[in-house]
Amino acid sequence: EPEVTQTPSHQVTQMGQEVILRCVPISNHLYFYWYRQILGQKVEFLVSFYNNEISEKSEIFDDQFSVERPDGSNFTLKIRSTKLEDSAMYFCASSSGTGETQYFGPGTRLLVL
Amino acid sequence: AQSVTQLGSHVSVSEGALVLLRCNYSSSVPPYLFWYVQYPNQGLQLLLKYTSAATLVKGINGFEAEFKKSETSFHLTKPSAHMSDAAEYFCAVRVQGAQKLVFGQGTRLTINP
Repeated sequence: EPEVTQTPSHQVTQMGQEVILRCVPISNHLYFYWYRQILGQKVEFLVSFYNNEISEKSEIFDDQFSVERPDGSNFTLKIRSTKLEDSAMYFCASSSGTGETQYFGPGTRLLVL
Repeated sequence: AQSVTQLGSHVSVSEGALVLLRCNYSSSVPPYLFWYVQYPNQGLQLLLKYTSAATLVKGINGFEAEFKKSETSFHLTKPSAHMSDAAEYFCAVRVQGAQKLVFGQGTRLTINP
């Protein structure tokens, strides 16, 4: 069964460093998403992406965040200058259509020291 | 704006007992509602979804949920708990035309032998 994959599973970085989280969505899906879950808090929407453009973003998704689909398979989330409060589990998801089920990856646990 | 409230951050039941996980939503327009399950070290897996068809929705692993508009609820049930049901369960809402899922805070289900 097709699934969303994410790498790395864990990442530790120093405050101020740039990190790139990678995702491979399900191959025939057209909509891509990033969510995050700070420890002990709700899963929060960050951004959705379609046709090489951001289609929706939350107030969390400020200028330090960016997303990209660099090739036909990967979908990345870049955090330019990490802060302590960026420590969270980051989930990638994809769907075949805007109203269709979103399938989630296993997440990347980011720890900013 | 949409919101989801899950009553009880932690629910514990005996094996074979009824599982009831509560979810109430707030939405100014007809919602789509979802239950996701997260097993340890895994991503979010869709259990079931309500998309304005039948109000009683059956999902995987014997779970079902009933949409009650008058109560703004979408509680998740399973008649007989199994040890393998131990996981974190998330209720989520999405409105038509929007892409983001809005999640509740999650309920950790523990099954006692």
